[in-house]
Amino acid sequence: GDSVTQMEGPVTLSEEAFLTINCTYTATGYPSLFWYVQYPGEGLQLLLKATKADDKGSNKGFEATYRKETTSFHLEKGSVQVSDSAVYFCALSEGISSGSARQLTFGSGTQLTVLP
Amino acid sequence: DSGVTQTPKHLITATGQRVTLRCSPRSGDLSVYWYQQSLDQGLQFLIQYYNGEERAKGNILERFSAQQFPDLHSELNLSSLELGDSALYFCASSVAAGGIYEQYFGPGTRLTVT
Repeated sequence: GDSVTQMEGPVTLSEEAFLTINCTYTATGYPSLFWYVQYPGEGLQLLLKATKADDKGSNKGFEATYRKETTSFHLEKGSVQVSDSAVYFCALSEGISSGSARQLTFGSGTQLTVLP
Repeated sequence: DSGVTQTPKHLITATGQRVTLRCSPRSGDLSVYWYQQSLDQGLQFLIQYYNGEERAKGNILERFSAQQFPDLHSELNLSSLELGDSALYFCASSVAAGGIYEQYFGPGTRLTVT
């Protein structure tokens, strides 16, 4: 079945440092890929998405590129802020052509703490 | 605010009991998903409804059931509760059932079984 493997945390960075959180996936079809963020005490919010190979999703300075050849969707940000401290989840959903259900399969989450 | 509401926010109950969690999707969204977030299992998909009909099932226990009503709100029923059912239960909604459509998550219901 589908699965998502995510870089284990926690990750602690200083403000303005470069961030990379690795994510690789296994899927039978052609999935859509997502990064969700969960701030303390809140639900998940979609950060960015990519629906086909070589697409780049971006939002709020975060970027991730759908790499079919390496089955990866690594999250990057050039300069993190204290307000970026949260848990980040990589997820996939089978694409339209697969005919399967559309639920999200999540990675284990990576806790990011940014220190001032 | 995602527009998805969940009640109650917190629930504390004893083993063997039954509880009902409620979710109201965003206006216009037809699809509702239930997820469980626990320390040992992570975030797991439980079940999906689309316009009142069950669409997909994930790792949902037989003691758990759900339904989606004509007004599109959904309820997740958990019975014969065990300590291991303690978790954060999220509801999400999307406009359709396709994989490219964003799922909007509610704030969750934290269930504690004692």
